[in-house]
Amino acid sequence: DIQMTQSPSSMSVSLGDTVTITCRASQDVGIYVNWFQQKPGKSPRRMIYRATNLADGVPSRFSGSRSGSDYSLTISSLESEDVADYHCLQYDEYPYTFGAGTKLELK
Amino acid sequence: EVQLVESGGGLVQPGRSMKLSCAASGFTFSNYGMAWVRQAPTKGLEWVATISYDGSSTYYRDSVKGRFTISRDNAKSTLYLQMNSLRSEDTATYYCTREGYTTDYYYPLAYWGQGTLVTVSS
Repeated sequence: DIQMTQSPSSMSVSLGDTVTITCRASQDVGIYVNWFQQKPGKSPRRMIYRATNLADGVPSRFSGSRSGSDYSLTISSLESEDVADYHCLQYDEYPYTFGAGTKLELK
Repeated sequence: EVQLVESGGGLVQPGRSMKLSCAASGFTFSNYGMAWVRQAPTKGLEWVATISYDGSSTYYRDSVKGRFTISRDNAKSTLYLQMNSLRSEDTATYYCTREGYTTDYYYPLAYWGQGTLVTVSS
């Protein structure tokens, strides 16, 4: 199975920060990476698909990028509503695999 | 508006069976692949199974292969997950998900239901 190594597992952040979360794929997954946001007690919400595409309704301060086997989600100028858990997903091949998640917490 | 509403979760004893349903509305159900994703309490997300738009293709993670069956009824706009021989490690919230579609391609897990909790315990 493809491993998605997500880092950091948690991050203490301040409003207005630029935050970057990274997933490293254990083998080539091309552009087939999605990012999800999940707030406590809620369902995940897709944020980024195909590594770099912003999903409908997602604020433009979110962006996705790829450098080789490293995939990143960046939040520019963090707002309070962005404090949540974030998960990456590879769907290049079955079984689809998620990263372990990143928890953002306010300082 | 896309709506996915799961039902059928609850408490079940190890070794028993349970069937989850997901009622879909707000889109043409028969046009989209669907999947189940689960999340154990305080844990990360885990893909469980996927079914193609017409039900002709199914895919499972190894730990549920032979025990779980994903299926769909396009006439009823409903997705199912039949779970047999349940184990304690199957305890999780199970989410029904739908593909997304843009100009020329589909991508998985675009829309999510609210989830239904399955607890496997004696």
